[in-house]
Amino acid sequence: AQSVTQLGSHVSVSEGALVLLRCNYSSSVPPYLFWYVQYPNQGLQLLLKYTTGATLVKGINGFEAEFKKSETSFHLTKPSAHMSDAAEYFCAVSLRDSGGGADGLTFGKGTHLIIQP
Amino acid sequence: DSGVTQTPKHLITATGQRVTLRCSPRSGDLSVYWYQQSLDQGLQFLIQYYNGEERAKGNILERFSAQQFPDLHSELNLSSLELGDSALYFCASSVFAGNTIYFGEGSWLTVV
Repeated sequence: AQSVTQLGSHVSVSEGALVLLRCNYSSSVPPYLFWYVQYPNQGLQLLLKYTTGATLVKGINGFEAEFKKSETSFHLTKPSAHMSDAAEYFCAVSLRDSGGGADGLTFGKGTHLIIQP
Repeated sequence: DSGVTQTPKHLITATGQRVTLRCSPRSGDLSVYWYQQSLDQGLQFLIQYYNGEERAKGNILERFSAQQFPDLHSELNLSSLELGDSALYFCASSVFAGNTIYFGEGSWLTVV
């Protein structure tokens, strides 16, 4: 079975500062890894994903994440925070199903990102 | 807009009642997933269907059931509702051989 741990239920950064949201996973086989964002009263939006290939993945809104197999991590970063980045961020892991597609996602508990003016 | 459509967006019902949540997946997606999001449990995977057949089961209660129809839309049935069933229920879809799961905006269920 797979699991996801997000370190820090709340992270506060100043506008313009580096954003770093931590995610560690546990999986018996190479997983797919995802970051989703949820704005207040909205659904989940995919930020980025890692499947195979390049370990540094770029997503929308200036976010990127790096898959580090040796550390079983997939931390999310953004060089300069904007007020509009305030939201809940979820890291998720999925196993490959028999057809090569994504099995159900296992989510971390989420990190609430607060941007200070 | 993810292309996944869920109805209704909000629903208030009494304990003991039964409700049905509906989901239309993205065009071309064969897999449908249901998730429950609550404050105490976080995001929980409930069940997955692929092309009409159940594929994987998560933390779905026996009072809950789902199905996927020939036109690929899916319904989640929640019965004998309890206060603790109040949550945001998400539907998501993906292509079978793909690796990205797209989420709808959810159905807010309040049990009073």
